[in-house]
Amino acid sequence: QKEVEQNSGPLSVPEGAIASLNCTYSDRGSQSFFWYRQYSGKSPELIMSIYSNGDKEDGRFTAQLNKASQYVSLLIRDSQPSDSATYLCAVNRGSNYKLTFGKGTLLTVNP
Amino acid sequence: GAVVSQHPSRVICKSGTSVKIECRSLDFQATTMFWYRQFPKQSLMLMATSNEGSKATYEQGVEKDKFLINHASLTLSTLTVTSAHPEDSSFYICSARDPLPVEAFFGQGTRLTVV
Repeated sequence: QKEVEQNSGPLSVPEGAIASLNCTYSDRGSQSFFWYRQYSGKSPELIMSIYSNGDKEDGRFTAQLNKASQYVSLLIRDSQPSDSATYLCAVNRGSNYKLTFGKGTLLTVNP
Repeated sequence: GAVVSQHPSRVICKSGTSVKIECRSLDFQATTMFWYRQFPKQSLMLMATSNEGSKATYEQGVEKDKFLINHASLTLSTLTVTSAHPEDSSFYICSARDPLPVEAFFGQGTRLTVV
């Protein structure tokens, strides 16, 4: 079983719609969860971090964490073409910030 | 967020030569830095953890004699790819941990092409 799993996509949504990205992880000891956005040829950019169960909202982005189900998701409201990128889910077990990444989901927002 | 600067952004080298990549934390002190490698359409794979003033910790399957890591100061870590071969061609990315807040930030990445 892979440590961090994401649907590879591509996920295609129309402009203005809600994009929903999902991630599951295998290590129950995981403590910190992150969503990164990566444009083609660029390095990842941190979008959201979440540490406790529930929802965390930041602008158009909402991260949701359910540790019992080992599931973390990212919702992007009012999707824009500029949101088109690969979204990487990353998980950290301890405080050393050693991240384990999923393969990423390619999101395409169509104008 | 904090700034991590990585240099060079792109390098082409001949097979058998060595290439050094620098990673600097510009506005915070990073006791720990991480080096990742990303092949096309793949995720980031952690290569090693670089600790200031001590030896790097390499992930399983990463050759420590081939990928030399030096973390001589709290703001600089270097990765040297020795005797590079075409299969080493990849996107190398460093990240640094900012202790306050506890977040990791990535450098711009280095596209290495070995010909």
